[in-house]
Amino acid sequence: DIVMTQSPDSLAVSLGERATINCKSSQSVLYSSNNKNYLAWYQQKPTQPPKLLIKWASTRESGVPDRFSGSGSGTDFTLTISSLQAEDVAVYYCLQYYTSPHSFGQGTKLEIK
Amino acid sequence: EVQLVQSGAEVKKPGESLKISCEASGYSFTSSWIGWVRQMPGKGLEWMGIIYPGDSDTRYSPSFQGQVTISADKSITTAYLQWSSLKASDTAMYYCARTGVGGTFFDYWGRGTLVTVSS
Repeated sequence: DIVMTQSPDSLAVSLGERATINCKSSQSVLYSSNNKNYLAWYQQKPTQPPKLLIKWASTRESGVPDRFSGSGSGTDFTLTISSLQAEDVAVYYCLQYYTSPHSFGQGTKLEIK
Repeated sequence: EVQLVQSGAEVKKPGESLKISCEASGYSFTSSWIGWVRQMPGKGLEWMGIIYPGDSDTRYSPSFQGQVTISADKSITTAYLQWSSLKASDTAMYYCARTGVGGTFFDYWGRGTLVTVSS
């Protein structure tokens, strides 16, 4: 099974500053036949279900602000929030869907400094 | 509009059985995988398994294989998560979610069903 490891576990960033969250998979999630990385990012705010932000490692979901971006390939991925807003306080999770069982990272809690 | 409406909160005793539901609408139920995610109190998300209602093909995480049963009734576009004998450690929020094309990422989520198991 693929293990997803996020870093850091928690992060405090000032409003307007950049936030960077990392996700590493125990094996590659890049499917060579279509050159797609099977990696998604989610945002979860308290008492809410997770919300899909990024799919295919770097494709922003419709309606997601462009300050959110995803990058990386193979085993190493990054979610970047270019200019942190107060409403971005949440826990962020990566998910690999390359192979079953799919698996989430342990989550990164993002707070305002 | 895709909607996933989950059944209400449950309070059960250890050893009891339970079946929670997720009613889907707004898309072709038999053409997308639908799955379940556990979130224990104060913890992260755990992928439990998915089912393809079109042919009932089901995939489980090894962590949940044999502990729960995932099923679907395509006549009423509803997916289920079932326990035969609950434990206190099953206390959690359970989310149902639909996958994108080909059983990929979860794109639409239900609001969650809180299951509390306590003597």
